[in-house]
Amino acid sequence: DTGVSQDPRHKITKRGQNVTFRCDPISEHNRLYWYRQTLGQGPEFLTYFQNEAQLEKSRLLSDRFSAERPKGSFSTLEIQRTEQGDSAMYLCASSSSRIYGYTFGSGTRLTVV
Amino acid sequence: AQTVTQSQPEMSVQEAETVTLSCTYDTSENNYYLFWYKQPPSRQMILVIRQEAYKQQNATENRFSVNFQKAAKSFSLKISDSQLGDTAMYFCAFIQSNTNAGKSTFGDGTTLTVKP
Repeated sequence: DTGVSQDPRHKITKRGQNVTFRCDPISEHNRLYWYRQTLGQGPEFLTYFQNEAQLEKSRLLSDRFSAERPKGSFSTLEIQRTEQGDSAMYLCASSSSRIYGYTFGSGTRLTVV
Repeated sequence: AQTVTQSQPEMSVQEAETVTLSCTYDTSENNYYLFWYKQPPSRQMILVIRQEAYKQQNATENRFSVNFQKAAKSFSLKISDSQLGDTAMYFCAFIQSNTNAGKSTFGDGTTLTVKP
């Protein structure tokens, strides 16, 4: 197992465009998380899946943000009509249980110009 | 709502010396888990150490140990025999244990520089 994979590593987009990120978790992990991290701050929770069910999402996940995890495997995070304030590192993590902590991916750095 | 506070934005230590990073948290829960994560420059975040709130014994992982003071809601990380590879941003995190929620709350991090 190669750990948690995220694609792309970097994304530059124009304001108003839609973007989609992909996360492939560790295959044995049924829990998958999305966080957003801006420079100099800690990760901020976006949403959480257990298998294919989206069990929790932040109010930050506005109507422009949507996440899916079809069949409980990989997950996608889509941002519609991007804004400059969406520029951040988007982190994906997976775990087999919350008590063991997370395995993070390398993140997708989004720059909205 | 839970909050996690790391009051030291930046710290430095000489190689081979010991350093302690501070973390305090606020919660009304009695059962929870605490974590320290390390994020090296331009690299992914990795788990350093974890602590169950119901355990009084402080967790230890090689050169890393914690001082968990439940009543004071304090969870500091001690790094012994600091190495250049310990240079990173360190995040303290909290998660509840008695619900099905998956959200962890992170502090804003402490940037640690180990000097040769």
